[in-house]
Amino acid sequence: AQKITQTQPGMFVQEKEAVTLDCTYDTSDPSYGLFWYKQPSSGEMIFLIYQGSYDQQNATEGRYSLNFQKARKSANLVISASQLGDSAMYFCAMTIIQGAQKLVFGQGTRLTINP
Amino acid sequence: DTAVSQTPKYLVTQMGNDKSIKCEQNLGHDTMYWYKQDSKKFLKIMFSYNNKELIINETVPNRFSPKSPDKAHLNLHINSLELGDSAVYFCASSQTGSIKQPQHFGDGTRLSIL
Repeated sequence: AQKITQTQPGMFVQEKEAVTLDCTYDTSDPSYGLFWYKQPSSGEMIFLIYQGSYDQQNATEGRYSLNFQKARKSANLVISASQLGDSAMYFCAMTIIQGAQKLVFGQGTRLTINP
Repeated sequence: DTAVSQTPKYLVTQMGNDKSIKCEQNLGHDTMYWYKQDSKKFLKIMFSYNNKELIINETVPNRFSPKSPDKAHLNLHINSLELGDSAVYFCASSQTGSIKQPQHFGDGTRLSIL
C-alpha cells in the first residue's frame, strides 16, 4: 500500500521568500507518480506539478519545482519568490502506474504568506 | 468550458434523508473518481469508474452508491444520511494509461448534515 506523509501542518513565510514543503512517501511499487495540488480557501483543487519515478530530472513548472530524492523517498515542493496568492493548503499525492490509478494524499500543509 | 463540473456546490439536509451529487466531465477522459475530504482536510478515494465499470470501492458504506451512465458522468447517491457524512465530496477524472496527466478535480460539493 502507498502512504504519503507531510509533517508540516502549517508554514508561515514572508512574501518573496522561497519555501519548501516536505513530502515523504512509501511504496513497494517501482513505477509511480508524485503530484502536488494546491487548495486555496475557495476550495478547488489545482494541479501544480508532477514527478515520475523514472524521471531523471527534477520537475519544474514556473515558480514551482520538485526536489525529488528517490533514495530518501522524498518529493519536496519548492516555491520560489512566494506571493500572497500562494497562501493555501498544499497536498502531496501519489499514484502507482499499475492498476487503478487512485491518488493517495498526504495530510496537507497550510501555507501562509505574510506581507 | 468547465472541465469537471459538480452539482450542487452546497447541500444542506437533515439526517436520514437521501441525496445525490452529480458530476460531468468534458475532457474525454475514461476514468472518473469520487473523493471525500473530511473536516481535517484529509482526502481519501471512495470510488472509481473506468468506462462505466466500477474499479475501485474503498470500503465505503453501502449507503453510498455511485452510478456511471456513461464515461462522462459519475453520480453519487447517498441513502440515510448520517452526521459523519458531512464533508466535501470531490469528483475527478483522468485518462487511463496517461499517468503523467493529472487528475482534474471538480470544485467540490460541501455536504452538511443537520
